[in-house]
Amino acid sequence: DGGITQSPKYLFRKEGQNVTLSCEQNLNHDAMYWYRQDPGQGLRLIYYSQIVNDFQKGDIAEGYSVSREKKESFPLTVTSAQKNPTAFYLCASSSGSSYNEQFFGPGTRLTVL
Amino acid sequence: SQQGEEDPQALSIQEGENATMNCSYKTSINNLQWYRQNSGRGLVHLILIRSNEREKHSGRLRVTLDTSKKSSSLLITASRAADTASYFCATGFMNRDDKIIFGKGTRLHILP
Repeated sequence: DGGITQSPKYLFRKEGQNVTLSCEQNLNHDAMYWYRQDPGQGLRLIYYSQIVNDFQKGDIAEGYSVSREKKESFPLTVTSAQKNPTAFYLCASSSGSSYNEQFFGPGTRLTVL
Repeated sequence: SQQGEEDPQALSIQEGENATMNCSYKTSINNLQWYRQNSGRGLVHLILIRSNEREKHSGRLRVTLDTSKKSSSLLITASRAADTASYFCATGFMNRDDKIIFGKGTRLHILP
């Protein structure tokens, strides 16, 4: 089955810790995206990558970092510099044009204890 | 930066009725997409309408786009319990790489 996966589904972090959220796709998509969703809110773009070894900051990149070493993978690290990291994180991919739909993973819910 | 704004924020209707949600945006676009999100899940793409199109259909879904008013509507006909979800519009732009910008969504609840 082709698709996009995220792990873990739930993640708990102590203050001051860095955590990495996994996102993998086997759709052969060039573009990948990370979004943050807060309760009752829409999606805000954290980082996106249009091609391997390249990525750009979105609207709320502070306190986050990413890498794109492989086409299939786009991990997101939530660093201790992110002051309010508790949220639902969604990863998406697309074939690389704003005319194309984005395919979403199931999400990771991060809670800071 | 929030571009699209859905209206209403929440909508409850009886099963079998039609549901209409609206999306307004601020700057010129080259396409507008609608997505559905079930509680605690990822988003699912429903339909994309290009800026030179005025109406598109997909099953029980009808989307209209009025670029002069910078607005779009999503109509779900003969609603079912399974349509209970949040619905988001997302706008894509010319020369703005591959980003699309999501609104805050309309929470739709279908009453049995």
